[in-house]
Amino acid sequence: QVQLQESGPGLVKPSQTLALTCTVSGGSVSSGSYYWSWIRQSAGKGMEWIGRIYTSGTTNYNPSLRSRSNITIDRSKNQFSLELRSVTAADTAVYFCARSFIGAAGNWFDPWGPGTQVTVSS
Amino acid sequence: EVVMTQSPATLSVSPGETATLSCRASQSISNNLAWYQHKPGQAPRLLISGASARATGVPARFSGSGSGTEFTLTISSLQSEDFAVYYCQQYNKRLPWTFGQGTKVEIK
Repeated sequence: QVQLQESGPGLVKPSQTLALTCTVSGGSVSSGSYYWSWIRQSAGKGMEWIGRIYTSGTTNYNPSLRSRSNITIDRSKNQFSLELRSVTAADTAVYFCARSFIGAAGNWFDPWGPGTQVTVSS
Repeated sequence: EVVMTQSPATLSVSPGETATLSCRASQSISNNLAWYQHKPGQAPRLLISGASARATGVPARFSGSGSGTEFTLTISSLQSEDFAVYYCQQYNKRLPWTFGQGTKVEIK
């Protein structure tokens, strides 16, 4: 079965760039059947979808974070990554990666990774 | 974007009883709604998609209903492992996909 695992620094300084990676096992990010998403959960905003990437590299972002976000995919490592620039304390959250199906009727998330806590603080 | 509102924020229920969780969309989303269970430190788990279709391996005591703007997740005969936070998520037509704020089901 497919499993996802987030990794990256747990502490980022204000104004710097948050960088996280999601490693996929038991499946392939090269599959044409799925999108690969980043989602975060914070005390202030609850669960928030950040954006997604397809195996081709095509991306979609939440308008609220589009200007600061960049999602990339590395098919050779079976990983996809998130960069979030110019972070503030409001970006402190648990960050999850997740998979969803291609197609209008399949945009739920399954499975998810266990999440990684990122704190923005000097 | 579509705003999802869940109620109540916290639900206190005794084991063996039934929990009824609500999720409301700010506009019609047809049946494009999913429910998730989330326990601390774990990956959120898909329970329901398409408003009422149980995911693989999800016990029959979990049921979803509704369409348009009003949705319900019912957990019958609550068991100890069901105490968690539950989120709804809409995926109707246009990005961004959005979530409700969650309902915490706690032991009474």
